Amino acid sequence: DTGVSQDPRHKITKRGQNVTFRCDPISEHNRLYWYRQTLGQGPEFLTYFQNEAQLEKSRLLSDRFSAERPKGSFSTLEIQRTEQGDSAMYLCASGLMTGHEAFFGQGTRLTVV
Amino acid sequence: RKEVEQDPGPFNVPEGATVAFNCTYSNSASQSFFWYRQDCRKEPKLLMSVYSSGNEDGRFTAQLNRASQYISLLIRDSKLSDSATYLCVVDLGGSQGNLIFGKGTKLSVKP
Repeated sequence: DTGVSQDPRHKITKRGQNVTFRCDPISEHNRLYWYRQTLGQGPEFLTYFQNEAQLEKSRLLSDRFSAERPKGSFSTLEIQRTEQGDSAMYLCASGLMTGHEAFFGQGTRLTVV
Repeated sequence: RKEVEQDPGPFNVPEGATVAFNCTYSNSASQSFFWYRQDCRKEPKLLMSVYSSGNEDGRFTAQLNRASQYISLLIRDSKLSDSATYLCVVDLGGSQGNLIFGKGTKLSVKP
């Protein structure tokens, strides 16, 4: 499978715990995006990497959220001290270059109880 | 003003109907534009890119008006399989290469 893969697909965690999600983009893609989506809403931009550089980060992203893409390949998104409001689908997408299609993974559904 | 705004849904139409979705964007420096489709509980997938000259793909026609910062999608002869949420997407390009999504417009095509 050469598409974007995300792991895990589902995560249930207790409030206050830390969680980390992984995204493996399509191998030749240098752009990688993270989004959050809740029911009835479009994907909300979180952050964007070009290769290993994090070029853009949403103002909506609190300091509990951090993302890395250490070697310009896979990326991780960590949420510290999770809150119930963090419950959502976390989507990763990758793309070849600006102006081109972004391909999405199937997402990680986070439930904070 | 939100960066990308779309018609509120849902749109409920009979099979065979023509339906139009509208979208406006706030950043005049936006460089690329797309329509994505998202089925229930699935990830978004590209439906079509939108070019200044307008473009057509079968029953789907997309148009861009840069002066008005407006994008549209027209679906002719709606099929049951067109039922989905349609997302308007703007690419700021360059180092601001994040893709900004609208909230989406839900379409239900009924027999």
